[in-house]
Amino acid sequence: GAVVSQHPSRVICKSGTSVKIECRSLDFQATTMFWYRQFPKQSLMLMATSNEGSKATYEQGVEKDKFLINHASLTLSTLTVTSAHPEDSSFYICSARTPQANYGYTFGSGTRLTVV
Amino acid sequence: QQQVKQSPQSLIVQKGGISIINCAYENTAFDYFPWYQQFPGKGPALLIAIRPDVSEKKEGRFTISFNKSAKQFSLHIMDSQPGDSATYFCAATKASGSYQLTFGKGTKLSVIP
Repeated sequence: GAVVSQHPSRVICKSGTSVKIECRSLDFQATTMFWYRQFPKQSLMLMATSNEGSKATYEQGVEKDKFLINHASLTLSTLTVTSAHPEDSSFYICSARTPQANYGYTFGSGTRLTVV
Repeated sequence: QQQVKQSPQSLIVQKGGISIINCAYENTAFDYFPWYQQFPGKGPALLIAIRPDVSEKKEGRFTISFNKSAKQFSLHIMDSQPGDSATYFCAATKASGSYQLTFGKGTKLSVIP
């Protein structure tokens, strides 16, 4: 089946540093990927839609300069949290629409970011 | 405005019982309704999905019931097992194009022995 690989699964960084999260489609090409943020015991909140070869589309209230998204190839999208602060600590998840799943959505395993 | 309303927020079911989670949507343009299962610290995994041209879809112990006129759909888990304990999210979107999923708020299911 379709696999979306997300790395790292956990990361701890110091306040003020930047962290990059990678999301790869392993056996299909994804022209569009989605990035979500999830707070404890809450639903997934869409942050941005990542489009291969073009600029990402951010949801209202999401800071473009803090959450940099790059979708340079059909199999890789990255989310960089710049100048991270403790309030950026969260669970970040990517997803892509997958032809193998009848165009359903497949999610990565998520990245737990802790900013200290 | 929340476009997909999910209930209950939490559910406790005894082993072997039936778990029922309900969702209602507002946008009549939605035509793809998946359910996701999420374990702590993991990404959501697709459980089962339905299109509005059918009223029911069954896969093993999991069944989606869909009522287009009422704009409601529900997940039934038959013979619930402790291993089914997880958070379940309903979602809705348009089947074509690159539309994002609109999620319900989730239901935390606990199946007790």
